[in-house]
Amino acid sequence: SAVISQKPSRDICQRGTSLTIQCQVDSQVTMMFWYRQQPGQSLTLIATANQGSEATYESGFVIDKFPISRPNLTFSTLTVSNMSPEDSSIYLCSVEDSGRWKNYEQYFGPGTRLTVT
Amino acid sequence: LAKTTQPISMDSYEGQEVNITCSHNNIATNDYITWYQQFPSQGPRFIIQGYKTKVTNEVASLFIPADRKSSTLSLPRVSLSDTAVYYCLVGPNDYKLSFGAGTTVTVRA
Repeated sequence: SAVISQKPSRDICQRGTSLTIQCQVDSQVTMMFWYRQQPGQSLTLIATANQGSEATYESGFVIDKFPISRPNLTFSTLTVSNMSPEDSSIYLCSVEDSGRWKNYEQYFGPGTRLTVT
Repeated sequence: LAKTTQPISMDSYEGQEVNITCSHNNIATNDYITWYQQFPSQGPRFIIQGYKTKVTNEVASLFIPADRKSSTLSLPRVSLSDTAVYYCLVGPNDYKLSFGAGTTVTVRA
């Protein structure tokens, strides 16, 4: 199974600023994903980070607000831009494991807890 | 994606079996049923996946009736460390995981 780390683990930011979250995987993976989990809520997929092409965003999320980079097969970043208190959430990255004889599953990082004041 | 309904919360005691039922009346032919577990301050973790009948692994069992309109996750002999949120996901085996509200299971001593 993949081991995923995220930096920072938490941060407190002022409104109007931007924060870049890093996600590092210990093996090469094709697809990486970014999720948001608002306080007390479930997870919502933000976008799929594709290596060598632009990220694919889900409905309600746009590139200007959440730019994503995917420079190689083990690393991705998510930037939360021009933050407001409504952006206070846990941001998680995940990778898929869809080996031929395995169940489809995703491995999640520990998350980045963001508080915007 | 099929909509899922599961209890908001369940309480149990150490050593008991916990059964969480998830309803998914609109499940499609190519949909699988997958359960994830999330501990506080951690990302979700895959527990088990099934398509029909029964699946068992070292962590849990998943029971799926013939009509597949519901499924039951069974956690045998729970301990305090099984306190977590359990999510039932129904969909095709692709990257678009759709997490519902989940069931908060609290295990007491």
